[in-house]
Amino acid sequence: IAGITQAPTSQILAAGRRMTLRCTQDMRHNAMYWYRQDLGLGLRLIHYSNTAGTTGKGEVPDGYSVSRANTDDFPLTLASAVPSQTSVYFCASSDSSGADEQFFGPGTRLTVL
Amino acid sequence: GQNIDQPTEMTATEGAIVQINCTYQTSGFNGLFWYQQHAGEAPTFLSYNVLDGLEEKGRFSSFLSRSKGYSYLLLKELQMKDSASYLCAVKDSNYQLIWGAGTKLIIKP
Repeated sequence: IAGITQAPTSQILAAGRRMTLRCTQDMRHNAMYWYRQDLGLGLRLIHYSNTAGTTGKGEVPDGYSVSRANTDDFPLTLASAVPSQTSVYFCASSDSSGADEQFFGPGTRLTVL
Repeated sequence: GQNIDQPTEMTATEGAIVQINCTYQTSGFNGLFWYQQHAGEAPTFLSYNVLDGLEEKGRFSSFLSRSKGYSYLLLKELQMKDSASYLCAVKDSNYQLIWGAGTKLIIKP
């Protein structure tokens, strides 16, 4: 692994189903983030984690949950998917929650029908 | 509220120079970032400004004026591969990034 990986690459999901998007980084970064990107809108922060064992809510957290059991993994769970959660989801990491640049995974394209 | 404004789309000619502007209003300021995002790909880091002035990195330069809440990204000697979206983001007082919607740059031969 080099950098950040996300799985799956894309997914079509029926409304009401539960879905976990996976994110793993091998850079030993403290901070990790989940964003969604929708056409015409900027990246919007869903949840973040400044260090293993801690998480925080971003701008659009409703309907999503995260966990940070270790430094490398930061899964995002949709408990009961709705069509408005159709989006491209990016996981990112940075060396700290300070001034350092964020590195992004390749993204997961999710369609909820 | 917090707001980042940048033009939706710009067109330029191969070999020319283009300037992409970004204005911001945020709760606090801890730096401004520019990212490049090709269609269907992840954003990649281009530049970071925290002090006023110009930062030059090869064909790309980024300028910041904190008093005016203004930044621009300058791309010189444009190449077809520069066709992408350019995202402006500001790190606020909570050290979270606030993102603009991005500027789609179209390069014509």
